Amino acid sequence: DAGVTQSPTHLIKTRGQQVTLRCSPKSGHDTVSWYQQALGQGPQFIFQYYEEEERQRGNFPDRFSGHQFPNYSSELNVNALLLGDSALYLCASSPETGGLEQYFGPGTRLTVT
Amino acid sequence: QKEVEQDPGPLSVPEGAIVSLNCTYSNSAFQYFMWYRQYSRKGPELLMYTYSSGNKEDGRFTAQVDKSSKYISLFIRDSQPSDSATYLCATNAGGTSYGKLTFGQGTILTVHP
Repeated sequence: DAGVTQSPTHLIKTRGQQVTLRCSPKSGHDTVSWYQQALGQGPQFIFQYYEEEERQRGNFPDRFSGHQFPNYSSELNVNALLLGDSALYLCASSPETGGLEQYFGPGTRLTVT
Repeated sequence: QKEVEQDPGPLSVPEGAIVSLNCTYSNSAFQYFMWYRQYSRKGPELLMYTYSSGNKEDGRFTAQVDKSSKYISLFIRDSQPSDSATYLCATNAGGTSYGKLTFGQGTILTVHP
């Protein structure tokens, strides 16, 4: 049973560029959440998707947007990258009936130069 | 003030020791409490979650919640070098915030042989 998968593993972007990160949830899960984890910090909630809609959003600017597809996979898009966007981006999936149990993927390490 | 405070450590203990990891939180709306373990360059792994005040045990791990003092703890018995990781506490308010986990900063634990 494959767990949560994310791609790419890491990437380097230049300030001002745009980036798209991808996530496939654990089998049987239909809810996807995204988190940003800066070095030495705990993850910070960006938003959650369920039934292809953003259900909840954290304190992140509109530069951060997402999408969920009918197969429950999800994308995180970040526009106009800033140096401060450098972080580990984590995707977590959960079954709708057990939303508290969020299972995380390995993350995508984004470096903005 | 952060909603969830966690001493970042680092904490270093000898193999076999009992480890105590702690968090405090300020938002009385938090109802659900989780502990995650994160190895270097990996995503967080859910260890335990609990709802009510009191203790919950799973093998060598015991989670303790005291809602009256807004204090949560994780105890690790007979610690092993493989327990060396960053431990993150997380909380959730339920209701309309059901999907959002609020994390502490994480405590870095090293168990040396």
